[in-house]
Amino acid sequence: SQQGEEDPQALSIQEGENATMNCSYKTSINNLQWYRQNSGRGLVHLILIRSNEREKHSGRLRVTLDTSKKSSSLLITASRAADTASYFCATDARQAGTALIFGKGTTLSVSS
Amino acid sequence: EPEVTQTPSHQVTQMGQEVILRCVPISNHLYFYWYRQILGQKVEFLVSFYNNEISEKSEIFDDQFSVERPDGSNFTLKIRSTKLEDSAMYFCATILAAYQETQYFGPGTRLLVL
Repeated sequence: SQQGEEDPQALSIQEGENATMNCSYKTSINNLQWYRQNSGRGLVHLILIRSNEREKHSGRLRVTLDTSKKSSSLLITASRAADTASYFCATDARQAGTALIFGKGTTLSVSS
Repeated sequence: EPEVTQTPSHQVTQMGQEVILRCVPISNHLYFYWYRQILGQKVEFLVSFYNNEISEKSEIFDDQFSVERPDGSNFTLKIRSTKLEDSAMYFCATILAAYQETQYFGPGTRLLVL
């Protein structure tokens, strides 16, 4: 089954604007994580939200989780050109320590 | 901050050749993973490794693939006879223990099979 499908696939905004990316999944999860990938580079962990949490903040990042709708959103406030990257959600469907299942990602482009 | 490292960063090989991709996990981390990302596609799980044995593997991880920890520090992924479709970015990831949920990824090895 597919997990962690993000939308939109691509998002272009101006510096200073907020960027919102959404992720949907199909099965029960233990937690949901967001990662960032700069073009051709590795994955950088941004934030983790557990299934019993509804909202979490980290700097300019705000993540929400709605387990009833099996969806999550990542909000980046006051975006910067350096935020240009692909953003992926990943779910840990069974238990801690097992494989992450990634979505296809949202490509964010922030222009100055 | 400790990091996962991977070597080589890029590798070009001929179809049918064997390749070994190497990962140095964060010290004291006990769980290791390999993922791959074909260009323009999602990151896909290959295999997880704990206590010197495979914990979990995906359908992608067929007999052409193998993993080992040859010297207690490096964690390797071997592809015995590469195919064109093995061209991808290969990522290693590690976590400290099962209760640690955040997986720390290396920078990846870009493999090109010609």
